[in-house]
Amino acid sequence: DQQVKQNSPSLSVQEGRISILNCDYTNSMFDYFLWYKKYPAEGPTFLISISSIKDKNEDGRFTVFLNKSAKHLSLHIVPSQPGDSAVYFCAASRGLTGTASKLTFGTGTRLQVTL
Amino acid sequence: DVKVTQSSRYLVKRTGEKVFLECVQDMDHENMFWYRQDPGLGLRLIYFSYDVKMKEKGDIPEGYSVSREKKERFSLILESASTNQTSMYLCASSYLVRGRGTQYFGPGTRLLVL
Repeated sequence: DQQVKQNSPSLSVQEGRISILNCDYTNSMFDYFLWYKKYPAEGPTFLISISSIKDKNEDGRFTVFLNKSAKHLSLHIVPSQPGDSAVYFCAASRGLTGTASKLTFGTGTRLQVTL
Repeated sequence: DVKVTQSSRYLVKRTGEKVFLECVQDMDHENMFWYRQDPGLGLRLIYFSYDVKMKEKGDIPEGYSVSREKKERFSLILESASTNQTSMYLCASSYLVRGRGTQYFGPGTRLLVL
């Protein structure tokens, strides 16, 4: 039962354009969402997060949008750069207790930014 | 900067061997996690720990055990390695701020079981 889904396994975008990575979730109890970026042979690194009380969070070139009614979030990267080429994981958590630290990850989307 | 280190980057073991994967974090985080990453399956949680000597099963604990004797160290043990445990193993740690935790990952151990 995949509670966090990234339906696009790969995405190719030209340098300078916008990259949009999508993520859907099924568990309505999730209330905190994160995006991680992973290069080959390295561990994932945290990119950006959003709480369910917001619908948008921005950090430099990265913006995450949350649509709670659709149980959908997206990561926008503008402008895309070759160094953004990596696998991007969406993750979700729920609650405000100790279990809040437990994350459920999606399957990842491989982004390739071409010159 | 948070630093999470894993004892080996690459490991080759034989079926039936007992395998120890070590993880150390230097930021006094309460929470530590072990995941495995497989193509098309994303990151799947094996075990996690909220405190010293405390552990809880994740989504795929079968065939694994863990040990947390000190706050900074979390070990994953494959009691009898099997070929289907060939994978990338990732350790992470986190602390909670207002009930929210961001996890910080180590570089991973790529394990091959022959």
